[in-house]
Parts: sequence; C-alpha cells; structure tokens
Amino acid sequence: AQRVTQPEKLLSVFKGAPVELKCNYSYSGSPELFWYVQYSRQRLQLLLRHISRESIKGFTADLNKGETSFHLKKPFAQEEDSAMYYCALSSRNSGNTPLVFGKGTRLSVIA
Amino acid sequence: DTEVTQTPKHLVMGMTNKKSLKCEQHMGHRAMYWYKQKAKKPPELMFVYSYEKLSINESVPSRFSPECPNSSLLNLHLHALQPEDSALYLCASSRRNSGSGEQFFGPGTRLTVL
Repeated sequence: AQRVTQPEKLLSVFKGAPVELKCNYSYSGSPELFWYVQYSRQRLQLLLRHISRESIKGFTADLNKGETSFHLKKPFAQEEDSAMYYCALSSRNSGNTPLVFGKGTRLSVIA
Repeated sequence: DTEVTQTPKHLVMGMTNKKSLKCEQHMGHRAMYWYKQKAKKPPELMFVYSYEKLSINESVPSRFSPECPNSSLLNLHLHALQPEDSALYLCASSRRNSGSGEQFFGPGTRLTVL
C-alpha cells in the first residue's frame, strides 16, 4: 500500500534560517514524488516534482530511494514561505493514479 | 487557459436541498478528480474520472453523485447531505498516459450544510 508520512504538523523557523520539511514514503512500485503548497486562501498548487529536479522559489527536494525520503529544503526561509506543505506520491507506471497525500506540515516563518 | 475553475465559490445548503458543484478545465486533460478537504487536513480522494468514465469511487456515500458530461466538465450533485459533509470540495485534472501524477487543482467550493 502507498503511504506518505510527514512527521511534523508544524514547523516554525526564523526568517533567514534553513528549512527542512521531512517526507518519507512507502511504495512497492516505482513512485513519483511531489511537493504541493497551499498558501492562505489560495488553491493547492504544485511546488516541485522529483522528476524535474528543479529549484522553485529556492526550494529543492531530492528523492532518496535508499531512505525512501523526499525532504524539502530551502537554505534561507522567507516570510512568504509560510504555508501548508503536502508531500504526495503517485505511481510512475500509470498515467492517472490518484495522488496519496501526507498529512501536511504547516511552515511558519517568523520575522 | 491553464486553470481549473470551480463554481460556486461558496455554498450553504440545508439537509433537504439538492445542489450541484461544477468544475471546468480546458487544458485537454482526460482525467478529472473530486476531493474533499476538511480544515487543516490533506485532500481526501472521492472520485476519479478517466475519459469521461468513472474509474474510482472511494466508497463515497450515495448522497454525492458525480457526473462527467464531457471531457472539460465535471459535476458533483449533492442531495440530503449531513452537517459533517461541510468541507472544501476540490476539483483537479491531469493528463492521461503521461506517466505523471501531477494534478492541477481548482480553488474549491466551500460547502456548509446546515
């Protein structure tokens, strides 16, 4: 069964401090991992996907298959990064398998 | 047009009412989804449509009835709801056969059942 674990409900950091939001997954097949972000009063939107290996808004995430992790990192947090972050998983082998979401981590960046 | 739109933004209904939520996308996506999101919780999948056919129903009560009239539209018909059905209802779409699970979400309809 697919499972995504985000161990922290809430993460508070000071502006300019490094941020790491943890995500671990369980999946027997070939997974595709995503980070979605939900800013206050805005729609859920894709932040990163592991396939593209890009940096968005200073955030990066590397898939570690050995540790089954996909942690989200940013070297210097900004106040506008405060939001709800969801790690999500789907199968790479099927076009429209549903996303499985973690419970989410609320990031609060303190000025 | 690269967005998923949902109407209405807000809906208040009584337990005996019948109402519908509407979702639209013009990105050519052939998979569309309904999710329910309670406050401070992740989205919970309700239904998946693939090529206008219902492919997944996550054991959703029959008081929720989805409909996909064409590849761009997705409706959710509501009847005899309960107060605990109050939530944000999200629609999403994705490409078919892309190997990608990336989904594009609408802004949601905030439903209150009195």
